[in-house]
Amino acid sequence: EIVMTQSPGTLSVSRGERATLSCRASQSVSTNLAWYQQKPGQGPRLLIYGASIRATGVPARFSGSGSGTDFTLTISSLQSEDLAVYYCQQYDDWTPITFGGGTKMEIK
Amino acid sequence: EEHLVEAGGGLVQPGGSLRLSCAASGFMFNNYDMHWVRQAPGKGPEWVSVISANGGSAYYEDSVKGRFTVTRDNSRNSLFLQVSSLRADDTAIYYCARHGKEGDNYIGFDLWGQGTLITVSS
Repeated sequence: EIVMTQSPGTLSVSRGERATLSCRASQSVSTNLAWYQQKPGQGPRLLIYGASIRATGVPARFSGSGSGTDFTLTISSLQSEDLAVYYCQQYDDWTPITFGGGTKMEIK
Repeated sequence: EEHLVEAGGGLVQPGGSLRLSCAASGFMFNNYDMHWVRQAPGKGPEWVSVISANGGSAYYEDSVKGRFTVTRDNSRNSLFLQVSSLRADDTAIYYCARHGKEGDNYIGFDLWGQGTLITVSS
């Protein structure tokens, strides 16, 4: 099983500032890596796939980078509506597909 | 507009069974592999199962093997998850999700339902 480790567990950032979230895979997943945003009471929403490709309708302030085992999600200018938990997911190995433990974004 | 709508959750005693359903609309259901993902209260998502677009292949997370069965009816644009021998640690919101594709490349789970809650308790 590929273990996905996210850091930090909680991130406090002021509005308008940059937020950087990290995700590490226990073995290479190439670029088969997605990021999801989950707001309270809602299901996850796909933000980024292929490690760096924004999904339809995702604001340009969200960007992803990385390949292999180390990945980053960056929010260039944090907005109030970005309050959420962010999860990474590898879909390189489907048995099983695995998610990270999440990073909770707080507005400072 | 594309939608997935789950149903069938509820309160069940340990050892009990339920059948979850997921109704798809607004897209070519039979073109997509479909997943079940669950999320226990206060926890992150956990992948449960996948079924191929034609229903010919299915895979499961280890803790549910032999207890859960995923099926689909492409003529009815529906996905199902039969859950049996339920345990307290199966308590979770169960989501169905579409594995999106761009050409031959998978792109992550691009469409999710609202989820249905299974609570396992005596």
